[in-house]
Amino acid sequence: KAGVTQTPRYLIKTRGQQVTLSCSPISGHRSVSWYQQTPGQGLQFLFEYFSETQRNKGNFPGRFSGRQFSNSRSEMNVSTLELGDSALYLCASSLGRGDTISYEQYFGPGTRLTVT
Amino acid sequence: AQKVTQAQTEISVVEKEDVTLDCVYETRDTTYYLFWYKQPPSGELVFLIRRNSFDEQNEISGRYSWNFQKSTSSFNFTITASQVVDSAVYFCALKGGSYIPTFGRGTSLIVHP
Repeated sequence: KAGVTQTPRYLIKTRGQQVTLSCSPISGHRSVSWYQQTPGQGLQFLFEYFSETQRNKGNFPGRFSGRQFSNSRSEMNVSTLELGDSALYLCASSLGRGDTISYEQYFGPGTRLTVT
Repeated sequence: AQKVTQAQTEISVVEKEDVTLDCVYETRDTTYYLFWYKQPPSGELVFLIRRNSFDEQNEISGRYSWNFQKSTSSFNFTITASQVVDSAVYFCALKGGSYIPTFGRGTSLIVHP
């Protein structure tokens, strides 16, 4: 069974630009969550989508948004990039939705975003 | 609010040594789940174990074992006879009624040959 895939793996953008990251979950998984990982803040939850609906959202500004398609693939968008947005963005999928707290998540390799 | 503390930032051992990674958590929820993940240099977090708040049984999986103690709010992870391939960053995570997982800052384990 293929794992979670994320594209692109590496990205360099300049301040003020916007970026879209893509995530394909494990086949059959309907929940996709996004995380930001930085040395300073660690792993922080961005949002979770289940059946094309955002179920939970972390404490991030509105510049961070996402969506999920009918095939469960998800995209994350960051507008008006700032230097502090440089991070590893991880996507995770799980069988059940986030409010079924028992489900474990399976993570993708991440997208390394560098903002210059 | 939930909180997960991994006080050990970095641990360095020599191969074949046993090593314990500590995880202390805070939550007001009575139902919650605790997780451990491994993040090798490649970056992808690998799920290791899940434990619910009502199950305090210790678990052993090969060289890995976990000790969950609600009385001390701890969920520690022990690697027996460590190997170089165990070198990674290990994260403890908590998920409770808010449904938003909280991760610890991670413990970097370096196993020297």
